[in-house]
This record gives sequence, C-alpha cells and structure tokens, in this order.
Amino acid sequence: GNSVTQMEGPVTLSEEAFLTINCTYTATGYPSLFWYVQYPGEGLQLLLKATKADDKGSNKGFEATYRKETTSFHLEKGSVQVSDSAVYFCALRNTNTGNQFYFGTGTSLTVIP
Amino acid sequence: EAQVTQNPRYLITVTGKKLTVTCSQNMNHEYMSWYRQDPGLGLRQIYYSMNVEVTDKGDVPEGYKVSRKEKRNFPLILESPSPNQTSLYFCASSFPQGPQHFGDGTRLSIL
Repeated sequence: GNSVTQMEGPVTLSEEAFLTINCTYTATGYPSLFWYVQYPGEGLQLLLKATKADDKGSNKGFEATYRKETTSFHLEKGSVQVSDSAVYFCALRNTNTGNQFYFGTGTSLTVIP
Repeated sequence: EAQVTQNPRYLITVTGKKLTVTCSQNMNHEYMSWYRQDPGLGLRQIYYSMNVEVTDKGDVPEGYKVSRKEKRNFPLILESPSPNQTSLYFCASSFPQGPQHFGDGTRLSIL
C-alpha cells in the first residue's frame, strides 16, 4: 500500500541553523511527493512538490529531492528563521492507486532566536 | 481569490445533535476531501470525492457522511456526533493530479 513516514518531532533549532526533516515513503509506481507547512492556527499550505524521480522541489529557501532509489523526500533548509516555526507534513499522491493523498504525521519545528 | 472556505470555523455542541460543516471551493476542482487532525496522529482522511456524485471512504469514515451534489460544495455531516469526534477538521480540493488546497479548518468540540 501507500504510506509516508516522517521523523518524529518536535525539532528545536537556533536561528540560522541547518534543517533536515526526513521523509520516506512506500508506494507502487511513481507517486507525486509534496511538503506542506502549517503555521499556528492555519490550514496547510503547499510548500513544494516533485512529480518524478530526481526532481528537486524548492520554495522559500526549502528544498527536497525525489529519490526513487531510497524512497525518500527529505526537506532541507540551509539557514532557518524564527518565522519558519511551524508543523511540516510530507505527503504523496499516487494516481496508480486511487489518486488519494497520504500524509505523514507531521514534524513540529520551533526556531529560537 | 482562489480559496477553500469552511464554515463554521469553531463549533461547540452536544452529543447527538446533528451538525453540518460546509466546504466550498472556487477553483473548479474535481477532487475534494475531508480530513481530521488529532495530536500525534497527523491528518487522517475521512471521505473524498473524485467528482460530482462520486464519493468514497477514506481511512476513518465511521460516524460521518458526505455529499457531492455540486462541483464546488462538499459538506461533512455528523448525524449523531459523539465526543470522540472532537477534532480539527480540514476540507481540501485539487485537480486530479495536482496539489491539494486546504481550508482554514473547523474546530469542533462535542460535549
């Protein structure tokens, strides 16, 4: 079946630190992969996406590369800011198996000044 | 402005009193879905709809109903709410192969 596994949180970093949030997936075929961000009191917003192997999604300094060989889509940012404090969700969509979305459990990030 | 609109944003009610949470999108999306978000469990899909008059169960459909009579609307119905349905609910929509757009959420408390 389809599933997404994210690293457990919460994650606390100092401003300007390097961020990695791990995400691995299980799926048949070639799903599309997404990272969503949820700021306090808000809905989820698309952060970045990748639709095929070796694609790199990027937005607002965040990056993630679709790695078919390791079934991973890790989120990275070189220098986090306090405003990046949020919950981050990894997700996949598999048009081969019903086109549903599957989300990870979310990773809470707090950036301290 | 492209958006997914949920109402109400907050609701406190009592066990057994039927309620409906409305969801409307203005992007002409075929796909719509409902999720609930609970601490430590992430997002769990309740129901989804591929198009008008086409709905299907997600991972946690028990105690919920949906309908899709029009493309833009996808209401979530709790016929007889119970305290274990206290949660934060999100509606989302998308084109068949695109990313989902989410509403701002509805916080339900069932006493």
